[in-house]
Amino acid sequence: AQTVTQSQPEMSVQEAETVTLSCTYDTSESDYYLFWYKQPPSRQMILVIRQEAYKQQNATENRFSVNFQKAAKSFSLKISDSQLGDAAMYFCAYRSRSGNTPLVFGKGTRLSVIA
Amino acid sequence: ETGVTQTPRHLVMGMTNKKSLKCEQHLGHNAMYWYKQSAKKPLELMFVYNFKEQTENNSVPSRFSPECPNSSHLFLHLHTLQPEDSALYLCASSLDPSSYNEQFFGPGTRLTVL
Repeated sequence: AQTVTQSQPEMSVQEAETVTLSCTYDTSESDYYLFWYKQPPSRQMILVIRQEAYKQQNATENRFSVNFQKAAKSFSLKISDSQLGDAAMYFCAYRSRSGNTPLVFGKGTRLSVIA
Repeated sequence: ETGVTQTPRHLVMGMTNKKSLKCEQHLGHNAMYWYKQSAKKPLELMFVYNFKEQTENNSVPSRFSPECPNSSHLFLHLHTLQPEDSALYLCASSLDPSSYNEQFFGPGTRLTVL
């Protein structure tokens, strides 16, 4: 079974600085999707960024980018120019491309942004 | 707001009560999901519905009973729950259950079982 590990329960970053959240996963499959979701306090979880395993290029969405290392099974999220609104729980998730398989989530990393 | 609403937002119930959680999506999606989010644990998928048909039951105890009358509405009926069932229950929807499609989440119902 696939597993997703987020080794940092909590992280903090100064406003306008850059922070990297770690995620590793375990799978025997070669084709899959990886996601980062953001859950602000008392608000809905939203998708931040998505990576397709067959694409070598790292996904980027404005200030959010990933470092996808397929061989190492690592999928870290980099947040540049951090803003107060970035404070949230961040969840890394994996999903196999074969069939209608469920999303497998990590335990999350709580990010605090310091003004 | 992402178009997925959940009511109630907070619920406190005794172990002998019967209550229902409601989820509604206005996104035209065909797949809907129930997740359980407990503190310091990964989100756990409970049920998946596709075109009103249940396609996955992730070994959920029978005291949780889902109902999907149409593609826009999803219910979770609760009865004789245990204190360890206290958690945030999240509903989500997607265009279909295939892997690529983004799941849109509701705000959740914070359930406390006394």
